[in-house]
Amino acid sequence: DIQMTQSPSTLSASVGDRITITCRASQNINTWLVWYQQKPGKAPKVLIYQASSLQSGVPSRFSGSGSGTEFTLTITGLQPDDFATYYCEQYYTYPHTFGQGTKLEIK
Amino acid sequence: EVQLVESGGGLVQPGGSLRLSCVVSGFSDHYMDWVRQAPGKGLEWVGRIRNKANGYTTEYAASVKGRFTISRDDSKNSVYLQMNSLRSEDTAVYYCARGEAVAGHYNYYGMDVWGQGTTVTVS
Repeated sequence: DIQMTQSPSTLSASVGDRITITCRASQNINTWLVWYQQKPGKAPKVLIYQASSLQSGVPSRFSGSGSGTEFTLTITGLQPDDFATYYCEQYYTYPHTFGQGTKLEIK
Repeated sequence: EVQLVESGGGLVQPGGSLRLSCVVSGFSDHYMDWVRQAPGKGLEWVGRIRNKANGYTTEYAASVKGRFTISRDDSKNSVYLQMNSLRSEDTAVYYCARGEAVAGHYNYYGMDVWGQGTTVTVS
């Protein structure tokens, strides 16, 4: 199975900050990567698909980049609503696998 | 309205069985996935079932292969997860989610519709 490793596991930041979360794949997955946001007690929500395409309705402060084995999710100008847990998912091959998550906390 | 509603969760003893249901409304003919989340843990993809055009074939995570079976009844707008030989490590919230409508990486935009989840406790 392809292992997805996110860093950091926890990130403390302030409203207005620019933050970056990294997701590394154990093998080349091209650009077949999705980023999700999950809030406590809620289902995940798609932010980015195909590594860099913004899902409809998602604010433009979210952006994704990368290919191969290294990917990043960047949030530029953090808003209070952005404090949540973020996951990457690879869909290059089965089984689909998720990163372990990055919890974004208010500093 | 596009919606997924899961049901069927509950408390079951180790070695027991449970069948989860997911009622689909507002769309049809997509691949459908099951994803679970153990208490306080991250997301784990469980498996998926393809649509009619792709033969209703299935894929599973290694952790559930041979114990769990995904099926669907499009006439009832429903997807099912049959879980057998349950273990304590299967305790989780189980979500059904919508995948792509057409096969191929370029047609997958992530799991873009999710249910509210149903809780399975194996104890």
